Parts: sequence; structure tokens; C-alpha cells
Amino acid sequence: EPEVTQTPSHQVTQMGQEVILRCVPISNHLYFYWYRQILGQKVEFLVSFYNNEISEKSEIFDDQFSVERPDGSNFTLKIRSTKLEDSAMYFCASSRGRSGNTIYFGEGSWLTVV
Amino acid sequence: SQQGEEDPQALSIQEGENATMNCSYKTSINNLQWYRQNSGRGLVHLILIRSNEREKHSGRLRVTLDTSKKSSSLLITASRAADTASYFCATDATDSWGKLQFGAGTQVVVTP
Repeated sequence: EPEVTQTPSHQVTQMGQEVILRCVPISNHLYFYWYRQILGQKVEFLVSFYNNEISEKSEIFDDQFSVERPDGSNFTLKIRSTKLEDSAMYFCASSRGRSGNTIYFGEGSWLTVV
Repeated sequence: SQQGEEDPQALSIQEGENATMNCSYKTSINNLQWYRQNSGRGLVHLILIRSNEREKHSGRLRVTLDTSKKSSSLLITASRAADTASYFCATDATDSWGKLQFGAGTQVVVTP
């Protein structure tokens, strides 16, 4: 079964550094998402992306965050100047369509900011 | 507002027993999806149920949806030790396609 793949699986970074998390969505999917889960908390929506632009973003997704689809297969989340509170599991997800479509998640990227 | 709140928070059962967990939500939805998460791992999709559906089955899983009560249930029949995981419902609200709102989850432990 096709999967959403994410790299790296774990990353430790110093506060203030920039981090790029990478994702390869399922190949025939058109909608892409980033979610995060702080340890012990709920999974939270960050951003959705379609047709090379952001469709929707949460209040968490401030100017510190950006997303990009640099080529036909990758989808990235960039966090500029990381803070301690950015430590979380970041999930990439994709779906074929928007309405009534299953959203498939990757295994996640653990980010620890020290 | 809180969406997709699961109940109970934790459930401990023996292999072979059934596990039932519930999810309540507040706003109108397009669909509701159930996911499983093993500790520290990714979210595995289990079932999607649309707002015009009342019940769906997939293997040992049965999901119901009652839009009048804004609630859903997930039943796992004949549970196995491998079913030990956290289970989350996630709602896709009518005014916000693809922006899933997750509950805190039900932690299920199945003992052999």
C-alpha cells in the first residue's frame, strides 16, 4: 500500500537554528498537510496545501513556519529560528481530494529543540 | 471548541474481549475518521465514515455515527494483544475541509 514517507525520523537541533522536515506524499494525492503532536497532547493541524499554495493554516502556523513543494514529489516544512516549544512530533499527511477523502499520515519526524 | 473527545480515556481488556470507545464532537462535520497510534509512531488510518452514513465495518472494526447526537463509536471485536494502541477520532468540519480536529484519544491495553 502506498505510504507517506518522512525524513528525518528524529532530529535534535539547537534553539534558534532552522530545521527542514521533508515528506514524500502518496504519488497521486493532491492535498498535503502538516500536523504536530507535542508529547502527551492532541494532534494539532498546522497547514494544508493545494495547487502550490496554502489552503488553510492554524494560528500555530505563524511566520516562523513555511511550507514548500520544491519539486513534483517532496513537500517540506521549514521552521525558522526554532524554540524549545517547537519540540514535537511533526506529521505529514496527504489525501487524494478534499471532501470525504481519507487523510493518510506518515510515521512522523520527532523534533527536539535543546 | 473541543472536537472529537474520546471516552473512555483508557481501557484495559483481555484478548478475545470486545473494546468499545466513543467520540463526541460539537460542530457539523463532513466526515469522521478513526486512527490508531502505537506509542511514538505514526497515525494509521482505520476507517472513514461520512456524515450521511450510520455504520461501517472493516474486518474486526465497526464504526457508528449518530449526527443527531454528534457522536461516533469504534468497536474492536475479538481483540488481540497487537490492538494495544491509542485510538483517535478526528473530525472534518463542514466549514474547513481537510483540517482534522483530533481528540485526546483512548489508550487501549489488551493483555494476553
